[in-house]
Amino acid sequence: DTGVSQDPRHKITKRGQNVTFRCDPISEHNRLYWYRQTLGQGPEFLTYFQNEAQLEKSRLLSDRFSAERPKGSFSTLEIQRTEQGDSAMYLCASIGGMLTGEPYEQYFGPGTRLTVT
Amino acid sequence: GENVEQHPSTLSVQEGDSAVIKCTYSDSASNYFPWYKQELGKRPQLIIDIRSNVGEKKDQRIAVTLNKTAKHFSLHITETQPEDSAVYFCAAIHQAGTALIFGKGTTLSVSS
Repeated sequence: DTGVSQDPRHKITKRGQNVTFRCDPISEHNRLYWYRQTLGQGPEFLTYFQNEAQLEKSRLLSDRFSAERPKGSFSTLEIQRTEQGDSAMYLCASIGGMLTGEPYEQYFGPGTRLTVT
Repeated sequence: GENVEQHPSTLSVQEGDSAVIKCTYSDSASNYFPWYKQELGKRPQLIIDIRSNVGEKKDQRIAVTLNKTAKHFSLHITETQPEDSAVYFCAAIHQAGTALIFGKGTTLSVSS
């Protein structure tokens, strides 16, 4: 257990419905990342936050996706009008420590597996 | 942007043999290269990493080597065991705290 938690662990939804996932990073970590992983592929970056500021968004993050980290602690990822192509594992990761120019290890949560029927 | 290529996509070895997985990256500014192990249905777990100021790093049966000139890095697992069977991902990052770029993964099967 890395200390990063995600909820729910599994979500089955019908096409067109909205879904929201939550990530709780390690408490002192100031950077939080969302990745998407489809079967047989490596994780793909979606977006990341430093504290409450969303600093970067991937082109994979269509306008149906929105992420927030309102108080710089937990984060939510919402997908509106889900499509079958959204079926994937959604992974959250966090990094802690002072940003001195040195990269730090990213610790992943267990993921939320989304199935869109 | 950064692109990471990983080979082979599948690797089968006998227990006790060595396994080598290779990755190349495109952005010469990348300076951190982690390796993750992912078992079926579980999260990626960091197993070893290397930074650009180091050429080799070892941790018991696993080692990683980095060739900055050629822009490639490799994972070496010696004395493989069945519990080493998993999908292994390499990744690269070029700026502190920005996103990891992952390879497509190598499925390692160790048979006893």
